[in-house]
Amino acid sequence: AQTVTQSQPEMSVQEAETVTLSCTYDTSESNYYLFWYKQPPSRQMILVIRQEAYKQQNATENRFSVNFQKAAKSFSLKISDSQLGDTAMYFCATSGSRLTFGEGTQLTVNP
Amino acid sequence: EADIYQTPRYLVIGTGKKITLECSQTMGHDKMYWYQQDPGMELHLIHYSYGVNSTEKGDLSSESTVSRIRTEHFPLTLESARPSHTSQYLCASSEEAGPETQYFGPGTRLLVL
Repeated sequence: AQTVTQSQPEMSVQEAETVTLSCTYDTSESNYYLFWYKQPPSRQMILVIRQEAYKQQNATENRFSVNFQKAAKSFSLKISDSQLGDTAMYFCATSGSRLTFGEGTQLTVNP
Repeated sequence: EADIYQTPRYLVIGTGKKITLECSQTMGHDKMYWYQQDPGMELHLIHYSYGVNSTEKGDLSSESTVSRIRTEHFPLTLESARPSHTSQYLCASSEEAGPETQYFGPGTRLLVL
C-alpha cells in the first residue's frame, strides 16, 4: 500500500519569492517514481516535475526543483521566483502499481 | 498540452437521469483512469483500465460503470444520477511502459439536482 501526505493545506507567497511545499510518502515498492502535479483554478491538471526513486540527483525543471530525501521518504517542491501563474493546487503523488495522490496544497502567489 | 478530451465540461441534470461522461485520448495510451474530485480536495481513483476489454474498480467505491471497447475511448456511465454524485470527474491516461506519468483531461463538473 502507498500513502502520500501533504501537511500544508494552504500556503501563500509574494511574487518573485521562493516557496517550498512539503510531501512525505510511504511505499512498499522497490522501484517507484514521485511526481508533483499542478491544478490551476478551473484548468487542466498538468505534470510539474518527476523524480525517479533510484536517482539520487534531485530533478529540476526551470524554476521548479525537488528535494528528494529517500531515507526520510520526503519529496518537497521548491518554486523559485514565484509568479502569479503559479497560483494553483499542487498535488504530490507516487507511483508503484498505481498512482497515489496526496491531499493537495493550495498555493496562492500574491502581487 | 496532452491530447486527452472530456465532454461535456459541465453538466447539470436531474435525479434519476442516466448520464455518460466521455473521455478520449489520441496518444495511443493503453492505460486510462477515472478520478472523482470534490472542489479543493484530493483525487480518488474510481475506475481504471489497462487496455481494451480490461476494466477494474479503483480505491473509492462508485456506482458508476465504465467500458473500454476501443483504446482511445473510456466512457463513464451513471445509470441513475443522484445528488451525491455531484462532483468533478477527471479522466487520465498513461503509457504502458515507463514511469506512469499520467496526462489529465480538463474534467467534467457534474451537478445533480
